[in-house]
Amino acid sequence: EAQVTQNPRYLITVTGKKLTVTCSQNMNHEYMSWYRQDPGLGLRQIYYSMNVEVTDKGDVPEGYKVSRKEKRNFPLILESPSPNQTSLYFCASSLSIREGEETQYFGPGTRLLVL
Amino acid sequence: EDQVTQSPEALRLQEGESSSLNCSYTVSGLRGLFWYRQDPGKGPEFLFTLYSAGEEKEKERLKATLTKKESFLHITAPKPEDSATYLCAVQEAGGFKTIFGAGTRLFVKA
Repeated sequence: EAQVTQNPRYLITVTGKKLTVTCSQNMNHEYMSWYRQDPGLGLRQIYYSMNVEVTDKGDVPEGYKVSRKEKRNFPLILESPSPNQTSLYFCASSLSIREGEETQYFGPGTRLLVL
Repeated sequence: EDQVTQSPEALRLQEGESSSLNCSYTVSGLRGLFWYRQDPGKGPEFLFTLYSAGEEKEKERLKATLTKKESFLHITAPKPEDSATYLCAVQEAGGFKTIFGAGTRLFVKA
């Protein structure tokens, strides 16, 4: 089944304890992206990647890191989480950024609580 | 600054009562405008992509239209199962970021 998977789905952690949220897609997609969703603010893009080893900042990259060493995986790293990073996180992927191929498919979400 | 604004924030309809959701955007050039549906606790699900002013797309009770400054999602004779949050997003020409609006929460009562 074609899908985007995220792990973990739920995570409670404490301020300053490094964590990684994994994202994997099995559709051979070039483009991958991370978003956070907060009430009243909608989805805001954190980072995106157009292909292996090519990443760029979205609108809210502060406090986050990403890497794209393989086409299928795009982990999100919080080196020193803070309470303002408590949010619902979504990973998404699309075939490419070419016209007709940019439809993004979203994972199920990771709910993060930083105490 | 690039921006996407959706209105209304919430919309309550009776079953069968048609209406429209609005998405206005300000970008220097549009690569594409996207509509998604999001059910509670789930990731957004793709509905439509529109590329140029005048373009229209339909799927069941939904029809999306695009002008140079805004897009409408028309819902004809909605059913309770159409209740969800509808999200609009744009990608700017020459760039690869995606900017989402805050969404419209639609409630359809039987």
